[in-house]
Amino acid sequence: DVKVTQSSRYLVKRTGEKVFLECVQDMDHENMFWYRQDPGLGLRLIYFSYDVKMKEKGDIPEGYSVSREKKERFSLILESASTNQTSMYLCASSTASNEKLFFGSGTQLSVL
Amino acid sequence: QKEVEQNSGPLSVPEGAIASLNCTYSDRGSQSFFWYRQYSGKSPELIMSIYSNGDKEDGRFTAQLNKASQYVSLLIRDSQPSDSATYLCAAPFAGANNLFFGTGTRLTVIP
Repeated sequence: DVKVTQSSRYLVKRTGEKVFLECVQDMDHENMFWYRQDPGLGLRLIYFSYDVKMKEKGDIPEGYSVSREKKERFSLILESASTNQTSMYLCASSTASNEKLFFGSGTQLSVL
Repeated sequence: QKEVEQNSGPLSVPEGAIASLNCTYSDRGSQSFFWYRQYSGKSPELIMSIYSNGDKEDGRFTAQLNKASQYVSLLIRDSQPSDSATYLCAAPFAGANNLFFGTGTRLTVIP
């Protein structure tokens, strides 16, 4: 069974902390994505990667960075967490043809 | 501005009725369209994809695409309470490596 695994289901952090969200996929997919989902705003793309060590900014990259050192792992980093980064974060992966996204179960991040 | 637009709802239909979900998109160059279903507290899952004008049927689900009108819809026949979820429309825009999602339509099927 295909799987995208996010390291934490719930996370509580304090303002100013550095936060790492980890995502691992076991499908040998080329593409990996980080979205955040907020009520009324839908899914918004933060960053994506189409190959190891490659990254592209999405619609809302400010305040975030990413790392993809291995094909199966894509990390989202909040350098200095702020309260407006409280959100549901969803990782996804797809093949190079981008036909179907497989999502992880999500991380609900609260920044206090 | 690249956009995928959906009515946010909520849309309520009685059990057994047809639910109709609609989506418009801004990029005429888009060639493929996807419907994802997201249950409350869960992540989205792909339920339908459509690439050509016309209808595509899969069980109780029918996706309809009209590229001239830049319109894609999802019909759910014989709606069941288990269909209650948020339905997200998505499309890759020309030249982009990623999908653009609508904000979703929340569907409630009333027993």
